[in-house]
Amino acid sequence: KQEVTQIPAALSVPEGENLVLNCSFTDSAIYNLQWFRQDPGKGLTSLLLIQSSQREQTSGRLNASLDKSSGRSTLYIAASQPGDSATYLCAVSHSSYKLIFGSGTRLLVRP
Amino acid sequence: DGGITQSPKYLFRKEGQNVTLSCEQNLNHDAMYWYRQDPGQGLRLIYYSQIVNDFQKGDIAEGYSVSREKKESFPLTVTSAQKNPTAFYLCASSIDGSGLGNEQFFGPGTRLTVL
Repeated sequence: KQEVTQIPAALSVPEGENLVLNCSFTDSAIYNLQWFRQDPGKGLTSLLLIQSSQREQTSGRLNASLDKSSGRSTLYIAASQPGDSATYLCAVSHSSYKLIFGSGTRLLVRP
Repeated sequence: DGGITQSPKYLFRKEGQNVTLSCEQNLNHDAMYWYRQDPGQGLRLIYYSQIVNDFQKGDIAEGYSVSREKKESFPLTVTSAQKNPTAFYLCASSIDGSGLGNEQFFGPGTRLTVL
């Protein structure tokens, strides 16, 4: 059974710091991995999608990497800003329709 | 604007009532999904539909029902059989549910509270 774990559960950093969020999964037979952002009381915003054949994806200050063999993904946020404060969720797809989600990392960027 | 809309934003249910949550998309996506989110937890799949007039149970379908009569619409009914329905409900869609690497896009959610 696929399980997705995100560590840490919460993170507080000063503005301007570079940071890394971690996601691990137990079954390496995945189709893709998605990183999402969720603001309080809101829906999910898709940040990055990494296909199983890819090693990384970049969008602006965000970079996500994928190491299928070790069951790990990282989301790197460069030069963090207070507006980056949110919960970040990762999810893996190991069938055509189903995403398995981690519990998220709650990020606070302090001004 | 293309996107996914959910209504209402907040919904209150009395014991023994059935309530229906609306989800509409104008992205021309074939696949649609319903998830439930409880505080401090990830999302869990309730039902999904890969094409009109077809839908499948997810991991926690008990106490819920859906229909998919139109491509754009995938309403979720929370029945009185669902014993703990208080949660945040999220609808999503993807281009299709049959290929690889389908990115899912989410609506703004409905918060359901049992009185």
